[in-house]
Amino acid sequence: AQSVTQLGSHVSVSEGALVLLRCNYSSSVPPYLFWYVQYPNQGLQLLLKYTSAATLVKGINGFEAEFKKSETSFHLTKPSAHMSDAAEYFCAVSDQDTNAGKSTFGDGTTLTVKP
Amino acid sequence: EAQVTQNPRYLITVTGKKLTVTCSQNMNHEYMSWYRQDPGLGLRQIYYSMNVEVTDKGDVPEGYKVSRKEKRNFPLILESPSPNQTSLYFCASSHRDRDGYTFGSGTRLTVV
Repeated sequence: AQSVTQLGSHVSVSEGALVLLRCNYSSSVPPYLFWYVQYPNQGLQLLLKYTSAATLVKGINGFEAEFKKSETSFHLTKPSAHMSDAAEYFCAVSDQDTNAGKSTFGDGTTLTVKP
Repeated sequence: EAQVTQNPRYLITVTGKKLTVTCSQNMNHEYMSWYRQDPGLGLRQIYYSMNVEVTDKGDVPEGYKVSRKEKRNFPLILESPSPNQTSLYFCASSHRDRDGYTFGSGTRLTVV
């Protein structure tokens, strides 16, 4: 069984500040992990993914995430927030090989960026 | 342009009236999936398909049907919609499960 917990349904940062969005997962087998972003009235867009290669993954728009097996975490960071980063962010997990195609999403974190 | 196309974007219907939401992708992807998004609940997977004629239940399949007769199409069927199926629905596709999904723009369904 797989599950995802995103800590904090709302995160607010000032423009230029560090962005940290937290994600913890549970999986019985090595997972694939993903972060998606959703802008208002749009579908989801893949930000980055972990597929058991490098543990530090870089994505689009300056975001990156680090896979920490010992902490079962995959937190999303960006050194300096921009107003255009305001959106909802989702962490997702799918199990490698077993139940290929099945994926589980977290409840989402809404990021607000203050000027 | 590579994309996942859902239709319609908005739909208001009455309880019990069968409806189909279409989904088509032009990327020759093997995997396709349907999700519903509800406030505070994130996205929940309804059904997914690994290839033509291969489908499986996600976390919330009750009240929904799917079919995958062609690789590019993955329609979502509500045989007898009920108000608790009012939601925002997303179709998505992927070449491999490790690639992450490409999402459509969504279908907002209201069942009255």
